[in-house]
Amino acid sequence: GESVGLHLPTLSVQEGDNSIINCAYSNSASDYFIWYKQESGKGPQFIIDIRSNMDKRQGQRVTVLLNKTVKHLSLQIAATQPGDSAVYFCAEATSGTYKYIFGTGTRLKVLA
Amino acid sequence: DTEVTQTPKHLVMGMTNKKSLKCEQHMGHRAMYWYKQKAKKPPELMFVYSYEKLSINESVPSRFSPECPNSSLLNLHLHALQPEDSALYLCASSSQTGFGNSPLHFGNGTRLTVT
Repeated sequence: GESVGLHLPTLSVQEGDNSIINCAYSNSASDYFIWYKQESGKGPQFIIDIRSNMDKRQGQRVTVLLNKTVKHLSLQIAATQPGDSAVYFCAEATSGTYKYIFGTGTRLKVLA
Repeated sequence: DTEVTQTPKHLVMGMTNKKSLKCEQHMGHRAMYWYKQKAKKPPELMFVYSYEKLSINESVPSRFSPECPNSSLLNLHLHALQPEDSALYLCASSSQTGFGNSPLHFGNGTRLTVT
């Protein structure tokens, strides 16, 4: 389940289940969106991106969904594995600018 | 391993010290970024260089001074920092083309502690 509080929101899932991580973005002018994975002691690692002319994009075991009407982005991870445990950030940007703004992040915990 | 290299990995400095953080990429990217990240928080944009020119300064205090000597290198000079400046400093690069934005590629950061 998901918990939100003073600490980073945490999503706990059983190994093998699917995970869904959500993100609400702030700028209606944003037209480029990215999901990053950050493991402890490392920099953010690119997972998948999507432009605003699409509403879904699939990668290997990951799918990003974009709902521009409600300014919502989600990352779906299929068959979650222990190596997926990390903090996940969404980021938004507007074409022609260099201003990439990150969301608050969600910690994913995979339970064996 | 990342394609963006940051040195040093860890840095401890006093409030009167002067130090520099270094970042290098060889992907041919022409945009380079400095972000600051506090524990359990998202990265916050500090500076952006595009084609070696400062493009964005997010109202960062002058005790942080960026420099882009060439298209592969990015420095962040630190002077008279405060303990609250302790954080993970991340460097990133991206290839900006006429087709729109592209992902940021991050280094693993410099963990800075100001005493």
